[in-house]
Amino acid sequence: AQTVTQSQPEMSVQEAETVTLSCTYDTSESDYYLFWYKQPPSRQMILVIRQEAYKQQNATENRFSVNFQKAAKSFSLKISDSQLGDAAMYFCAYRSGGAQKLVFGQGTRLTINP
Amino acid sequence: GAVVSQHPSWVICKSGTSVKIECRSLDFQATTMFWYRQFPKQSLMLMATSNEGSKATYEQGVEKDKFLINHASLTLSTLTVTSAHPEDSSFYICSANPSGKSETQYFGPGTRLLVL
Repeated sequence: AQTVTQSQPEMSVQEAETVTLSCTYDTSESDYYLFWYKQPPSRQMILVIRQEAYKQQNATENRFSVNFQKAAKSFSLKISDSQLGDAAMYFCAYRSGGAQKLVFGQGTRLTINP
Repeated sequence: GAVVSQHPSWVICKSGTSVKIECRSLDFQATTMFWYRQFPKQSLMLMATSNEGSKATYEQGVEKDKFLINHASLTLSTLTVTSAHPEDSSFYICSANPSGKSETQYFGPGTRLLVL
């Protein structure tokens, strides 16, 4: 079974600085998708970014980018120019290409210091 | 686009009663919806996959008679917690994949259940 590991329970960063959240996963499949979801205090899950495993280019969405290392099975999220509104729980998730359900990591709580 | 709603957002019930939670896809059709449970400061735990027009698929350890799921239309799935007990108190979240475009799941805002 696939597993997703987030080894940083908590992270903090100064406003306007850059922070990187780590995620590793374990799979024997070649076709899959990886996601980062944000869960602010409202608890609404919000998609931050998505990466298809077959794409070599790292996904980017404005201030958010990923470092996808397929051989190392690593999928880290970089947040540039951190803003107070970025404070949230961040979950890394895996989805097999042949299935629809998501496997989530344990989450990383990100604090932004003003 | 891709909005998922849940109702109610917050419910308190007495032990032994049943509670129904609705999950609706507002601007797309979803043949598959998912129900998660989240305990405080923990990750989401998948409970079951709701399939339109067929039986739900439950994850290991989830009692199907306890958590009844009905997916009667392409925009509505319901989760009924039967004979609720205090240990069922939790945050329940649903998600949905737009039919024919299953790469991304969109999540509802969640339902907080408190069983007294």
